[in-house]
Amino acid sequence: KNEVEQSPQNLTAQEGEFITINCSYSVGISALHWLQQHPGGGIVSLFMLSSGKKKHGRLIATINIQEKHSSLHITASHPRDSAVYICAAPKVGGSQGNLIFGKGTKLSVKP
Amino acid sequence: DAGVIQSPRHEVTEMGQEVTLRCKPISGHNSLFWYRQTMMRGLELLIYFNNNVPIDDSGMPEDRFSAKMPNASFSTLKIQPSEPRDSAVYFCASSLDGPNNQPQHFGDGTRLSIL
Repeated sequence: KNEVEQSPQNLTAQEGEFITINCSYSVGISALHWLQQHPGGGIVSLFMLSSGKKKHGRLIATINIQEKHSSLHITASHPRDSAVYICAAPKVGGSQGNLIFGKGTKLSVKP
Repeated sequence: DAGVIQSPRHEVTEMGQEVTLRCKPISGHNSLFWYRQTMMRGLELLIYFNNNVPIDDSGMPEDRFSAKMPNASFSTLKIQPSEPRDSAVYFCASSLDGPNNQPQHFGDGTRLSIL
């Protein structure tokens, strides 16, 4: 069964804190996606990675293929980082188009 | 770049009515995706087109749902007849090349309410 699980479900942090959001998946994948959904509802693709680490500004995504685990880190968090962060992996066994989404991690950064 | 454009932004209609959602992908992108998001089920892929051809429609809930992509710059998602359980936010996304070779760019979504 293809599953994508995220933790924590909710996260509250103080401005400036280092944030880590975790994503585990149950089967081998070709690429894992991290998405950000703003409070207004818009969705932005943050990263797509299949190995190692990617960095964009204060955001860092890592993936460990052997452990089937990915993490999204936010350094020096800011209230504008408050959003829902979603990871997604391709559904193995079906068409490669079918992504399985995690339930999301709702992050709230307090000033 | 204008981004992925969806219309309408909001739709409220009575059950039994036909609903048509529209999407204009980013120019040059060859892959288009329709997603549905609800509180209960989160984000789900409904259908994926590549070069205007449906590749994976396994997420389409039932025959009441249909999607078309008559050309590279336009797609529709139609629900007929609509039911209250279809109420959700529907997102369209596009990418340069497939679901896992390039990042997906999302539209702002259509918030659909079926009364």
